[in-house]
Amino acid sequence: EPEVTQTPSHQVTQMGQEVILRCVPISNHLYFYWYRQILGQKVEFLVSFYNNEISEKSEIFDDQFSVERPDGSNFTLKIRSTKLEDSAMYFCASSTPSGSWYRKWFFGPGTRLTVL
Amino acid sequence: KNEVEQSPQNLTAQEGEFITINCSYSVGISALHWLQQHPGGGIVSLFMLSSGKKKHGRLIATINIQEKHSSLHITASHPRDSAVYICAVDNYQLIWGAGTKLIIKP
Repeated sequence: EPEVTQTPSHQVTQMGQEVILRCVPISNHLYFYWYRQILGQKVEFLVSFYNNEISEKSEIFDDQFSVERPDGSNFTLKIRSTKLEDSAMYFCASSTPSGSWYRKWFFGPGTRLTVL
Repeated sequence: KNEVEQSPQNLTAQEGEFITINCSYSVGISALHWLQQHPGGGIVSLFMLSSGKKKHGRLIATINIQEKHSSLHITASHPRDSAVYICAVDNYQLIWGAGTKLIIKP
């Protein structure tokens, strides 16, 4: 079964530092997503990405966040200047348009970001 | 009001018991997902439903589109089933429920 991979599994950083979280989605998928889960809270949508551009983003996804697909395989989330409240588990997901009217989703194992 | 509501929030049961977790949603969806999250944090997709019922081993998931309701059942529960079970609906992007924390005691 194909899988979405994420690196690193755990990232510790100082407040104000830039971090880049990496994801390798399923190779023939077209839609990519970042979600985050603050400890003890529910998973929240950050951003969706299709055709090399952001298709939708949440209020959380402010100017400190950016995404890109630099080489056609990796999908990255950059946080420019981390804040304490950015500490969370960040999940990458990818989905494919199928012949049906729903998509099949695959999730990465997550990157736990700790901002000190 | 949350668009996806799960109940119960927490559930503790004895090994062997039949478990039911419920999910109600208020938006139009193309599919509903049941997901499992273990203490390490990783999310595993259990089921994707657009109608009817699916079964995988001891897990059964049902959905009633008219009533906007889905249930996840676990038969003959085991301590290794202990995890957080999350309902998420596909409304272009996934809308997640808060999860049900299940503990199965030996």
